[in-house]
Amino acid sequence: EADIYQTPRYLVIGTGKKITLECSQTMGHDKMYWYQQDPGMELHLIHYSYGVNSTEKGDLSSESTVSRIRTEHFPLTLESARPSHTSQYLCASSESGWNEQFFGPGTRLTVL
Amino acid sequence: KQEVTQIPAALSVPEGENLVLNCSFTDSAIYNLQWFRQDPGKGLTSLLLIQSSQREQTSGRLNASLDKSSGRSTLYIAASQPGDSATYLCAVRSQGGSEKLVFGKGMKLTVNP
Repeated sequence: EADIYQTPRYLVIGTGKKITLECSQTMGHDKMYWYQQDPGMELHLIHYSYGVNSTEKGDLSSESTVSRIRTEHFPLTLESARPSHTSQYLCASSESGWNEQFFGPGTRLTVL
Repeated sequence: KQEVTQIPAALSVPEGENLVLNCSFTDSAIYNLQWFRQDPGKGLTSLLLIQSSQREQTSGRLNASLDKSSGRSTLYIAASQPGDSATYLCAVRSQGGSEKLVFGKGMKLTVNP
């Protein structure tokens, strides 16, 4: 089983709050990813990173931001949460190259 | 634009049946294809990764095949068990160095005891 962790697992928060979703992996993987998944729908890539100090936007436009200060840590931040941000957020990592991606358990975010 | 389709969206079968799950993709210029399992409210568990140069991969009761020219992959589950109940997703990575995995919507499998 892959060693990739996400906290919190569930978060219910009011509109306008700033939130940070945590993602950590202990596999030493260079590449890390954030996906967004709505119920019954496909996963969509919102951010990715090739390594420390590297961040790129994915296909799906997102108001969130990410940072990669350490190899093992790839947090996602929403400065002002809105109901439209309600979704499941999944973090993943992989070795360099186009290798298998390993996923964390996800954070289910509900913004009231 | 790559599109991935999984049909049917849901399948319910009795325990013990051998199953074939289908995945089709529109652009055959892929780098690899990955099958995942997702349990309710959980993340994705990687099942099998097939590189574009491979025809199949096996892991235990699972066997995945890839026919790149026809844009299809199948996941074969032998002797299904209630513990196999989950949503199965396939995802393709296109050639050209794209970081993007394009996912299908998944197929929800229920194996009844």
